Amino acid sequence: GESVGLHLPTLSVQEGDNSIINCAYSNSASDYFIWYKQESGKGPQFIIDIRSNMDKRQGQRVTVLLNKTVKHLSLQIAATQPGDSAVYFCAENFGNEKLTFGTGTRLTIIP
Amino acid sequence: GAVVSQHPSWVICKSGTSVKIECRSLDFQATTMFWYRQFPKQSLMLMATSNEGSKATYEQGVEKDKFLINHASLTLSTLTVTSAHPEDSSFYICSATTGTATNEQFFGPGTRLTVL
Repeated sequence: GESVGLHLPTLSVQEGDNSIINCAYSNSASDYFIWYKQESGKGPQFIIDIRSNMDKRQGQRVTVLLNKTVKHLSLQIAATQPGDSAVYFCAENFGNEKLTFGTGTRLTIIP
Repeated sequence: GAVVSQHPSWVICKSGTSVKIECRSLDFQATTMFWYRQFPKQSLMLMATSNEGSKATYEQGVEKDKFLINHASLTLSTLTVTSAHPEDSSFYICSATTGTATNEQFFGPGTRLTVL
């Protein structure tokens, strides 16, 4: 079946450094991708999204890159802060409202 | 805006009992609500899609008679776990969409269910 997966289950980054979280997806028909942040015991929090007609989108300290050729999505977080420590999920949408979530990457910011 | 709440935030129940979890959109009308289940250190798995006034659509492998979903209004959906067993212990999360072109889902804070 179709799946959305992440390359790295855990990532540790020194505070102030940049971090990159990667995601691979398998459904070439997916047209909408979202990155979520989930802190322990809480629901997912929207970070940034991107549609398939774009290859880059920037937000505050975050950038999402989409490479449709290799079906790869990445989330870049600049100047990481302790509050960035969380689990990050990518999710894809196939043109309807249903989302398929990736396996998640735990990001730990080292003070 | 676009706030989704869940109640209760956590619940402990005895095996064999039923538990109801509420999901509310506080400041918008949700055309569609979704229920997810998340086991420890795992991802969110969609259980069902719920539209106001109609029957929920369950994902493959999710027992509709065990996980009863009612979406009686545009701001409230409920998930009832019937005859709960320890293996039903999980983090249950709902989300809601406004039905706009973005299809963005707004997530609730989750409900931790522990079945003894």
